[in-house]
Amino acid sequence: DTEVTQTPKHLVMGMTNKKSLKCEQHMGHRAMYWYKQKAKKPPELMFVYSYEKLSINESVPSRFSPECPNSSLLNLHLHALQPEDSALYLCASSHDRRQSSAGELFFGEGSRLTVL
Amino acid sequence: AQSVTQPDIHITVSEGASLELRCNYSYGATPYLFWYVQSPGQGLQLLLKYFSGDTLVQGIKGFEAEFKRSQSSFNLRKPSVHWSDAAEYFCAVVFTGGGNKLTFGTGTQLKVEL
Repeated sequence: DTEVTQTPKHLVMGMTNKKSLKCEQHMGHRAMYWYKQKAKKPPELMFVYSYEKLSINESVPSRFSPECPNSSLLNLHLHALQPEDSALYLCASSHDRRQSSAGELFFGEGSRLTVL
Repeated sequence: AQSVTQPDIHITVSEGASLELRCNYSYGATPYLFWYVQSPGQGLQLLLKYFSGDTLVQGIKGFEAEFKRSQSSFNLRKPSVHWSDAAEYFCAVVFTGGGNKLTFGTGTQLKVEL
């Protein structure tokens, strides 16, 4: 099983809503990532978890709150988002955070978020 | 400063023609180098990687890439393009000492004419 599964595929929310994006992998990977991708741009790193601990937060606004309940699951909790937060949110995993592994990412298909 | 550059924003090739996508990096040492592909509305898929050793690396889907230290380049090639290769291609690097974060180039959009 070499898949990273993201749900939901599409999400529309208002600025006062609270929603969550979910990500799951069963490859035994110990590093998981959230990326944000705007149209025609490369993915931008948001958060990295290593062995279920948050290791990188790229100065992401607090309206985005990550959570890693166990080694297979990664959530991104969304609250009070702005229209400019509309984007494709990609989850990825890697074997671990060593230099050789940190570039070999397995990506999910993404959750397309629209904030009204 | 550490950076990765993809000079071509868009490239159009005819089906069956050869393809070369350019990637250059700026760094004092050899980083770990990768090429990813993203089909419309999809996540990214790793095509190939270079860490050390043989400078010509083979990847999936018939792609290959050549590392040239003297030019700080890692160009992606394919001898004969198929219509299904139309996608966005990202060169990416992991620089040492930077928290092992993957840095993406700006991407090259490939169109394939039938």
